[in-house]
Amino acid sequence: DAKTTQPPSMDCAEGRAANLPCNHSTISGNEYVYWYRQIHSQGPQYIIHGLKNNETNEMASLIITEDRKSSTLILPHATLRDTAVYYCIVRGGGGGLTGGGNKLTFGTGTQLKVEL
Amino acid sequence: DAGVIQSPRHEVTEMGQEVTLRCKPISGHNSLFWYRQTMMRGLELLIYFNNNVPIDDSGMPEDRFSAKMPNASFSTLKIQPSEPRDSAVYFCASSDLIAGSQYFGPGTRLTVL
Repeated sequence: DAKTTQPPSMDCAEGRAANLPCNHSTISGNEYVYWYRQIHSQGPQYIIHGLKNNETNEMASLIITEDRKSSTLILPHATLRDTAVYYCIVRGGGGGLTGGGNKLTFGTGTQLKVEL
Repeated sequence: DAGVIQSPRHEVTEMGQEVTLRCKPISGHNSLFWYRQTMMRGLELLIYFNNNVPIDDSGMPEDRFSAKMPNASFSTLKIQPSEPRDSAVYFCASSDLIAGSQYFGPGTRLTVL
């Protein structure tokens, strides 16, 4: 799976959009970009994923550049409860009984702090 | 759905004792993962199963660690004998093989004295 690079920390004012960048310049054609977050003392939580098109759900939006070498997770109106470590993960597209496609490798992520 | 269920939530034991952590995946999910998280090493995948079959156990640190999945609704991670360096939070996660998004349990915080 391709390696990802994220800033170690970011701050955001409550109510503003939080834009979390991720670099994955070695991503290959069948690899997906996944985002998870981990609020202190809880298990990681799935947020969103995409292959090459931008994606949006009730939690966030994912913007993937045309060359797929980087992406941005957008929390449109950050709240204090969004303070967490955000992980960007590139995952192989394979699956099935023996494929490693479901395997996730977590890096160090970005610590997002949302403040009043 | 209740989500992924792990037990116990906290475990304190003494060095040399056997520890068994339990996990019930989300009903219908056919992949199950065991992770360990420490401050020093972050979140590490220990082992994962597809359809109850162990696929990759390369993350299991030593022979003291073993994991089983006797059926689709239950898995155990056993440490025998436990050592202080095994102290960590152990997470279980499950996913659908096709969709791939993993859903994590609340974790078991293990302290080995």
